[in-house]
Amino acid sequence: EVQLVESGGGLVKPGGSLRLSCAATGFTFNSYHMTWVRQAPGKGLEWVSSISSSGSYIFYVDSVKGRFTTSRDNAENFLHLQMDSLTAEDTGLYFCTRARGYVSGPQPIFYFDHWGRGALVTVSS
Amino acid sequence: EIVLTQSPGTLSLSPGESVTLSCRASQTVSTNYLAWYQQTPGQAPRLLIYDASRRATGIPDRFSGSGSGTDFTLTISRLEPEDFAVYFCQQYATSLTFGQGTKVEIK
Repeated sequence: EVQLVESGGGLVKPGGSLRLSCAATGFTFNSYHMTWVRQAPGKGLEWVSSISSSGSYIFYVDSVKGRFTTSRDNAENFLHLQMDSLTAEDTGLYFCTRARGYVSGPQPIFYFDHWGRGALVTVSS
Repeated sequence: EIVLTQSPGTLSLSPGESVTLSCRASQTVSTNYLAWYQQTPGQAPRLLIYDASRRATGIPDRFSGSGSGTDFTLTISRLEPEDFAVYFCQQYATSLTFGQGTKVEIK
């Protein structure tokens, strides 16, 4: 059974940092692209970042470029999201997802077939 | 960026009824790269449909997707109690964007 379990969420002040992790089990992790999707309280879904199966290609939504860094550990089956210079607009539930599709040049062509339960990030003073 | 607009915002229906949800794109979604997800309160989204009309593994056949170009629909026939939820569409043809969601609530 595919399982994705996020950790590392919490309360942080504006300008602070947080690192989310996602433990993946039940599938061959290094064969799948992975993605972070977030949801602000009471709002819709927003794609944040994707990483290819090998880690060679990483993509970000414009609003987090230069502040967030996605990485993966294929030996230990973990996905990570390092979030720096956080603002209130980054508050939300962050989902780790398994992506299906392919990388086409400069962009990911992904939909998401498995989701974790999410890690809550609250940015507030 | 392709903007997806879902309508209506909320639907009030009874179990056993059928419903069609709309997802309209601001420009053509090439290769029909459109997916639908279901989210119940407090839960993670669940993939229902991908490539506009392909049902994901384990999804009942009362869920069906159709459409092409800029207009896509999700039809749920014979609503079950567990189908009352929020439904999101997502396009993956040009970057990755989601619609704002349609809530299907019990009348």
